[in-house]
Amino acid sequence: EIVLTQSPATLSLSPGERATLSCRASHSVSSYLAWYQQIPGQAPRLLIYDASIRANGVPPRFSGSGSGTDFRLTISSLEPEDFAVYYCQQRRDQGSFGGGTKVEIK
Amino acid sequence: QALLVQSGAEVKKPGSSVRVSCRSSGENFRTYYTSWVRQAPGQGLEWMGRILPKFTTANYAQKFQGRVTITADELTTTAYMEISSLRPEDTAIYYCARDGASTGYYMDVWGQGTAVIVSS
Repeated sequence: EIVLTQSPATLSLSPGERATLSCRASHSVSSYLAWYQQIPGQAPRLLIYDASIRANGVPPRFSGSGSGTDFRLTISSLEPEDFAVYYCQQRRDQGSFGGGTKVEIK
Repeated sequence: QALLVQSGAEVKKPGSSVRVSCRSSGENFRTYYTSWVRQAPGQGLEWMGRILPKFTTANYAQKFQGRVTITADELTTTAYMEISSLRPEDTAIYYCARDGASTGYYMDVWGQGTAVIVSS
């Protein structure tokens, strides 16, 4: 079973600042990794897949990078609607999720 | 754009079973995986398993093997997820999602979620 560890658990930032979220896999997942955004009370939304490809309609301020075991999601300049919880998910071996990173307003 | 509509909230006793449905209004139901993900109150997302209706075969996260059954009905374009021997810790929102071919078989369309409460 592949375990994904996200850090930090909480990121406190102000609008306009840059956010960098990390996801580390216990075994290589190649580039089979996605990032999702979840706003409280809503279903998750796919942001990035295959480590670096933005899903339809996702603003260019969101970018993903990494391969193997280390991945990053970067939000270049936080907008008010970006304060949410972000999850990484691998599909190299079934479909486990990381524990999530909450991006909150400082 | 596909739309996934799930069945309504359920309240169940420990030891019983629950079946949640997920109806797809999009095309090509049989050729897309439907995944199931749950979220306990205040917790993160947990992948449970998925099915490809075309082959009627499902695979499961190890944790749910033997207690969860995922099926699909091509005629009604509906997927189902059943959990047996319910425990209070199964209280969660259960989501179905489509693994989209155009998005690398990641979950690009989600149902609205179904709350399942397990309580005596």
